[in-house]
Amino acid sequence: DAKTTQPNSMESNEEEPVHLPCNHSTISGTDYIHWYRQLPSQGPEYVIHGLTSNVNNRMASLAIAEDRKSSTLILHRATLRDAAVYYCILRDSRSTGGFKTIFGAGTRLFVKA
Amino acid sequence: DTAVSQTPKYLVTQMGNDKSIKCEQNLGHDTMYWYKQDSKKFLKIMFSYNNKELIINETVPNRFSPKSPDKAHLNLHINSLELGDSAVYFCASSQVSGGASFFGPGTRLTVL
Repeated sequence: DAKTTQPNSMESNEEEPVHLPCNHSTISGTDYIHWYRQLPSQGPEYVIHGLTSNVNNRMASLAIAEDRKSSTLILHRATLRDAAVYYCILRDSRSTGGFKTIFGAGTRLFVKA
Repeated sequence: DTAVSQTPKYLVTQMGNDKSIKCEQNLGHDTMYWYKQDSKKFLKIMFSYNNKELIINETVPNRFSPKSPDKAHLNLHINSLELGDSAVYFCASSQVSGGASFFGPGTRLTVL
């Protein structure tokens, strides 16, 4: 299974942009790159996903490297409510069951006021 | 108008008991999942159910049995509970083919 590697933790100041990196050097051509976040005592929350092109939505932007071996989740203006664990995972679009999806340790984002 | 709901939120029980966790989604998704999050916070998929096809993760003990009465529900039944089953269990749903998954609030199971 293609794995992802993320820093254990990152820190940001409120109102500043945050760039959360993810390495996935063994990604296959059919893998989508997904980002989720989990606030304390809550279920994971979908943030964004993409395949090859950069993606934007109301929560964040996803920048995907040209070789797809890495990606960066961009929070344009961090707020205290963005403090969470951010997970970068790969999901094979051919798999109807998400059978092999495992969330790793993720990156714990600390936001300072 | 909760998208994915689970009951109960907390479940405390004795070793050896049988318990069930219920999950419902109102998103019209075709696929539903059960995940287990252990004390180290790793989230691992246990089962997925897509249009009446159950896909089982073979590492899950057969004491765990998912049941789907219809496309909107995927319940989890656990027989002969063990201490190691203590964890937070999340239900999720998604459309097929790599789309976004939406998770429920979780059920914290404590086995004494």
